[in-house]
Amino acid sequence: DGGITQSPKYLFRKEGQNVTLSCEQNLNHDAMYWYRQDPGQGLRLIYYSQIVNDFQKGDIAEGYSVSREKKESFPLTVTSAQKNPTAFYLCASSPSGELAKNIQYFGAGTRLSVL
Amino acid sequence: SQKIEQNSEALNIQEGKTATLTCNYTNYSPAYLQWYRQDPGRGPVFLLLIRENEKEKRKERLKVTFDTTLKQSLFHITASQPADSATYLCALDEGSNYQLIWGAGTKLIIKP
Repeated sequence: DGGITQSPKYLFRKEGQNVTLSCEQNLNHDAMYWYRQDPGQGLRLIYYSQIVNDFQKGDIAEGYSVSREKKESFPLTVTSAQKNPTAFYLCASSPSGELAKNIQYFGAGTRLSVL
Repeated sequence: SQKIEQNSEALNIQEGKTATLTCNYTNYSPAYLQWYRQDPGRGPVFLLLIRENEKEKRKERLKVTFDTTLKQSLFHITASQPADSATYLCALDEGSNYQLIWGAGTKLIIKP
């Protein structure tokens, strides 16, 4: 069953704590993305990765970190430096190449709340 | 400044009618424009893509138009059904990198 799996579905963070959101894909896609979604706003890009061992900051990278050690995995860490982490986090992937047209495939999301 | 705007108010449509959603943008030059559907608590799902040199694209009951002069895309659902109720997002692709620019979405409610 191909797709993108995000876990956990719900996550609670205590003040000063780092938390890691998991994202795994078995679509053999090269590019992966992390977005943050807040009510009434468009998806905002946190980080993206076009290939293994390489990633770039998006528009709101401060307070977040990522790694891309395997093609299938792109975990996101929300650090204690992110002062307003409560949001819905979405991971996506996209195949490379001109025919792919940057169509993105999303996981089911992780809802992060602060305790 | 660069903006992409979708109607922030929910759109209420009677079942069987055509629903039309709008996506307007300023100061972008998109090579492609995409539409996605998002259900509550779920990730967006890709529906349709239209290129800058295409006027219209259809898929079953869905139709997308793209007017680069007006800087606008319209998304139509004909013979709407309650199951079409969701939030619909538009996204611009300027074609220069892997990034999409997202609208905030319009919530569509189809009433039986």
